[in-house]
Amino acid sequence: RKEVEQDPGPFNVPEGATVAFNCTYSNSASQSFFWYRQDCRKEPKLLMSVYSSGNEDGRFTAQLNRASQYISLLIRDSKLSDSATYLCVVNVAGNQFYFGTGTSLTVIP
Amino acid sequence: DTAVSQTPKYLVTQMGNDKSIKCEQNLGHDTMYWYKQDSKKFLKIMFSYNNKELIINETVPNRFSPKSPDKAHLNLHINSLELGDSAVYFCASSPTRTARVNTEAFFGQGTRLTVV
Repeated sequence: RKEVEQDPGPFNVPEGATVAFNCTYSNSASQSFFWYRQDCRKEPKLLMSVYSSGNEDGRFTAQLNRASQYISLLIRDSKLSDSATYLCVVNVAGNQFYFGTGTSLTVIP
Repeated sequence: DTAVSQTPKYLVTQMGNDKSIKCEQNLGHDTMYWYKQDSKKFLKIMFSYNNKELIINETVPNRFSPKSPDKAHLNLHINSLELGDSAVYFCASSPTRTARVNTEAFFGQGTRLTVV
């Protein structure tokens, strides 16, 4: 069983749309949670950390439900530049980062 | 200044050869990692080292041998390369989790290995 499960998509949305990504994790001892972004042929880069109370960074909102072991990312007012793969990441024991398979997003003009 | 740097960026080699990928981080992090990203884009952890000591070895064939001469370097040596080893290999580092819970991992640019 994979540590982190994500819907791979692809998600194709028009500019200005709102899109939501979800993931679930299997290890209840997971300690910290992130969304990373990976552009084609590039390395993954941190988009935002995910906190228990939920957190927002501009057009991006992340939520964590520890009871359901569920993490979400909401992107509002999608831009062309948001096209990328979004990776759900869970840190177990402080130094074990496990990645989901990623969700591909294409924002269409 | 590059925080996590790995070399080479591209590596094309024949089956059966032995090759190494080098990784260095100048962030002062205690933990370093190797990940493999296959053609399906899944990032799978291979190894994790903390202060030069192996923490994780995720059922990687023993043809893969990581070496950490110091906590700023984690190299990956691969013996007897096989076609299935073709992938992008990412090095990463992170600070040790202490007071800060959400310590992120920083990635190198990746090494695209093609075995022919």
